[in-house]
Amino acid sequence: ETGVTQSPTHLIKTRGQQVTLRCSSQSGHNTVSWYQQALGQGPQFIFQYYREEENGRGNFPPRFSGLQFPNYSSELNVNALELDDSALYLCASSRDIAEQFFGPGTRLTVL
Amino acid sequence: DQQVKQNSPSLSVQEGRISILNCDYTNSMFDYFLWYKKYPAEGPTFLISISSIKDKNEDGRFTVFLNKSAKHLSLHIVPSQPGDSAVYFCTSSGTYKYIFGTGTRLKVLA
Repeated sequence: ETGVTQSPTHLIKTRGQQVTLRCSSQSGHNTVSWYQQALGQGPQFIFQYYREEENGRGNFPPRFSGLQFPNYSSELNVNALELDDSALYLCASSRDIAEQFFGPGTRLTVL
Repeated sequence: DQQVKQNSPSLSVQEGRISILNCDYTNSMFDYFLWYKKYPAEGPTFLISISSIKDKNEDGRFTVFLNKSAKHLSLHIVPSQPGDSAVYFCTSSGTYKYIFGTGTRLKVLA
């Protein structure tokens, strides 16, 4: 059984650019959630996708958007990057609303 | 507005002793709580959970206690081992999202 994987592991962008982060969910999971973890903070919920539809959203601006594909993998897109977007981005998958399994994260640095 | 609070950013404990990590929450509607452990360069991994219908849940060396009237839960690790050194997150499970505390960094000294 393959766990949750994320790519890339690290990324450096400049302010104003756009970025796409990718997540492959664990086998058998149909729900993907994305979280942002700033330094010294706990993960903050961005949004969740269930069967390709957005199922809930946290307090993040519209420049944070996402997609879920028929194979339940997912993308997180961030437009017009700001310095404060520098963080670890975590993807978690689950079967419906059961326990969430996290990937190792993508470390994004915005210069 | 921090709905799940972990007021101790760090804790050091001698190997073999008990580690007690505390967590407070503000919303009395929260009814399911989880503890996650996170090592550097890895995602959080599930440790133990508790439903609000219980006041204690045990799994090996890990026990979680829930005090609903005080809106407080705690994680006890006994005996503590050096491999337990990690950041521990107290988490409330909502309808579709997890609400995390800020984490407590536990260091178990050999």
